[in-house]
Amino acid sequence: AQSVTQLGSHVSVSEGALVLLRCNYSSSVPPYLFWYVQYPNQGLQLLLKYTTGATLVKGINGFEAEFKKSETSFHLTKPSAHMSDAAEYFCAVSDRSNFGDEKLTFGTGTRLTIIP
Amino acid sequence: DAGITQSPRHKVTETGTPVTLRCHQTENHRYMYWYRQDPGHGLRLIHYSYGVKDTDKGEVSDGYSVSRSKTEDFLLTLESATSSQTSVYFCAIRDNRNYGYTFGSGTRLTVV
Repeated sequence: AQSVTQLGSHVSVSEGALVLLRCNYSSSVPPYLFWYVQYPNQGLQLLLKYTTGATLVKGINGFEAEFKKSETSFHLTKPSAHMSDAAEYFCAVSDRSNFGDEKLTFGTGTRLTIIP
Repeated sequence: DAGITQSPRHKVTETGTPVTLRCHQTENHRYMYWYRQDPGHGLRLIHYSYGVKDTDKGEVSDGYSVSRSKTEDFLLTLESATSSQTSVYFCAIRDNRNYGYTFGSGTRLTVV
């Protein structure tokens, strides 16, 4: 069974500093990988996803993530944090080896706080 | 974006009563999912459907049942609600065209 680990349930960064949110997965084959953002009292919004091709994926709001097969990681970064980035971020994976059984497995989330 | 709506948005119910949550989509997607979100647990899969009348259990299916009699509707039922089922419930659809998952706005359920 696949699993997702997000290191750090809470991360604080200063405005303008680098944002790094970590995600590692456990899967028998490289899965499809996703990052979602959730603002307070809202639903989930897709930031970016990796399915195939280039391993550096660019998403919305200046975020990007790199799929590293050797490290089974898909860390999310943004060069310069903005106050509007304060939210909860979820990493998720979908196992591509089980055709017809696709479903998302989520990490437990990382709450990002931006310090003015 | 796929049209996906959940109803109701908020519900308070008493322990032991049945509750049904509805998820409706407008774009004929085959796969639909129900998740619950709880602090410290992220989102956990309750049940999912891969077609009309085709459903399967997720990791936290105890106490829940689902039905899908039409492509556009996926219903989640709590047969006898318990306080441990107080949560935010999200429905999602999977778009095979771009391998994207789109989520509804959620239903906040409180069992008192």
